[in-house]
Amino acid sequence: QVQLQESGPGLVKPSETLSLTCTISVTSFSTYFWSWIRQPPGKGLEWIGYIYHSGSTNYNPSLKSRVTISVDKSNNQFSLKLTSVTAADTAVYYCARTWGPPYFYFDLWGRGTLVTVSS
Amino acid sequence: QSVLTQPPSVSAAPGQKVTISCSGSNSNIGKNYVSWYQHLPGTAPKLLIYDDNKRPSGIPDRFSGSKSGTSATLGITGLQTGDEGDYYCGTWDNSLSAGGFGGGTKLTVL
Repeated sequence: QVQLQESGPGLVKPSETLSLTCTISVTSFSTYFWSWIRQPPGKGLEWIGYIYHSGSTNYNPSLKSRVTISVDKSNNQFSLKLTSVTAADTAVYYCARTWGPPYFYFDLWGRGTLVTVSS
Repeated sequence: QSVLTQPPSVSAAPGQKVTISCSGSNSNIGKNYVSWYQHLPGTAPKLLIYDDNKRPSGIPDRFSGSKSGTSATLGITGLQTGDEGDYYCGTWDNSLSAGGFGGGTKLTVL
C-alpha cells in the first residue's frame, strides 16, 4: 500500500524558512507529479506547487517568489522550502501524489503536518 | 481568493440527496477536468471524483460528478451522518498555469 508521510519542524520563527519532507513508500517515483498543499486554520485548501520526477516544477503564483520544491529520488522523497514565513503561513501542510494537467487531481495524500509560525 | 466558487454550506436530512456546485471560467473548468475531495475533521482529504465524473476504487456510487461548460456539480445521494464535512472542487487554470481549489462547502446532515 502506497503511503506518504510528511516530516519537519512543527514550529518556525517569523522571517525564517519552513522546510518539510515527504517520504513515499512502495510506489515508483516516476510517472507522477508530487504536490504540496496547505490549509490554514479555518480556511480552505491551497495548492502550493508540484514537482515532476524529472525535477521540473510549477508553483502557485501567489507563493512562487518564496517556494522551492525539490526531489531526492534515491530516497523516494520530495521537499518543500518556504522562505520569509509569517503568521499567515501557519497551516496544516499535506503532500500528495498528483496527476498532471489537464487532469490535475490528487489521489493519495499524507496525513498532514501542522506548522505554526510564531516567535 | 479561490479561482473556483462554491457555496459556503449546504444541508439536507439523512437519506436525502444534495448537490454542491463549483463555478469557474473558460480558463479552468471550461478547458480542464474537475476533481472533488471530501475532507472530514481530523483526516486527510480524500479523492471522491476525478476527470469530471469518474470514481476511484472504493468510492460508493452515492457520489457522482458532472460538468457543463464552466460549472461542475457533485451529487451525494442517500446522505449519512458520516458524510458531514467539507467538500472541495479542484482543477487546473491555464491562464494562471496553476492548480486551484474552490473555497470549500460545509455539508451538514440534519
